[in-house]
Amino acid sequence: EAQVTQNPRYLITVTGKKLTVTCSQNMNHEYMSWYRQDPGLGLRQIYYSMNVEVTDKGDVPEGYKVSRKEKRNFPLILESPSPNQTSLYFCASRPSGGRGYEQYFGPGTRLTVT
Amino acid sequence: KQEVTQIPAALSVPEGENLVLNCSFTDSAIYNLQWFRQDPGKGLTSLLLIQSSQREQTSGRLNASLDKSSGRSTLYIAASQPGDSATYLCAVRRAGNMLTFGGGTRLMVKP
Repeated sequence: EAQVTQNPRYLITVTGKKLTVTCSQNMNHEYMSWYRQDPGLGLRQIYYSMNVEVTDKGDVPEGYKVSRKEKRNFPLILESPSPNQTSLYFCASRPSGGRGYEQYFGPGTRLTVT
Repeated sequence: KQEVTQIPAALSVPEGENLVLNCSFTDSAIYNLQWFRQDPGKGLTSLLLIQSSQREQTSGRLNASLDKSSGRSTLYIAASQPGDSATYLCAVRRAGNMLTFGGGTRLMVKP
């Protein structure tokens, strides 16, 4: 089944403790992205990647890191999480090669930083 | 900076009604516009994608239109059902892989 998977689905952590949220897709998509969703602010793009070793900032990159060492994986790293990073995070992917391709989203990771 | 607005923020209708959800965007230089559905606590499911050169797309009871010059899109849902209850999001894609989302319309279809 074609899908985007994220792990963990739920995470409660403390301020300053480094964490990684994994994202993997099995559709051989070139493009991958991370979003956060907050009440009243909607979905905002954190980082995106156009292919292996190619990443770029989205609208809200502060406090986050990403890496794209393999085509299928795009982990989101919080080096020193803070309470304002409590949010619902989504990973997404799509193929390249045109303007008309849909984004496919993962199920989401709910992160709470205390 | 691209801004996307969805009106209304919430909508409640009786089962069987036809309804229209609205999406407006400030910068017409878009590659495409995509409508999503989000169920509570779940991810996003793509409903329809309209390329910038297209005027509309249809899938079953759903029809999405795009007027790029005026910065507007509508999602028409025919013969609504309780199972259509969800939050509907529109998003526009601009340069690179940048997606800008609207705030969503929360739809409740009452039996």
